[in-house]
Amino acid sequence: DIQMTQAPSSLPASLGDRVTITCRASQDIGNYLRWFQQKPGKSPRLMIYGATNLAAGVPSRFSGSRSGSDYSLTISSLESEDMADYYCLQSKESPLTFGSGTKLEIK
Amino acid sequence: QVQLKESGPGLVQPSRTLSLTCTVSGFSLTSYGVSWVRQPPGKGLEWIAAIWSGGSTDYNSALKSRLSISRDTSKSQVLLKMNSLQTEDTAMYFCARSTRGPDYWGQGVMVTVSS
Repeated sequence: DIQMTQAPSSLPASLGDRVTITCRASQDIGNYLRWFQQKPGKSPRLMIYGATNLAAGVPSRFSGSRSGSDYSLTISSLESEDMADYYCLQSKESPLTFGSGTKLEIK
Repeated sequence: QVQLKESGPGLVQPSRTLSLTCTVSGFSLTSYGVSWVRQPPGKGLEWIAAIWSGGSTDYNSALKSRLSISRDTSKSQVLLKMNSLQTEDTAMYFCARSTRGPDYWGQGVMVTVSS
């Protein structure tokens, strides 16, 4: 199975900060990488697909990038509504696998 | 609009079989796949299984021997069965429309395994 190593597990940040979350794939997954946002008591929400494509309705302060086997989710200027858990998911091959998650919280 | 709704028993006894149903609307099961994902309380997301638009299926490697996923296209439903339940299977179970990965998600159904 493909392993997704996500870091950091927790990220304290201030409003207006630029923040980056990273996932590293254990094998080549091309651009088959998705990012999800999950708020307490809610279902996950698709934010990024194809490593770099913004899902419908997602604010433009969110972006995805790739450097080799490292995939990143960046928020350019943190807003209070962005405080949530974030997960990456590889969909290159089954079984699909999630990263362990990052809790983004106010410093 | 695209909607998915999970249903199933809230409480299941250990060693019993869990049956969950995902009822979808706004899209066809012959055009899109459906995945099941679970989340134990306070923990991360775990992909469990998927049935794809052509009817093929895939399973989580660690759970494969206990799982069965199927669909009834006439009812727009996807069915998940998991046998030999243990307390570690206590989780919120989500279904999600999937094309090379989930996009739209249901609200989830909480399943507690306890005697």
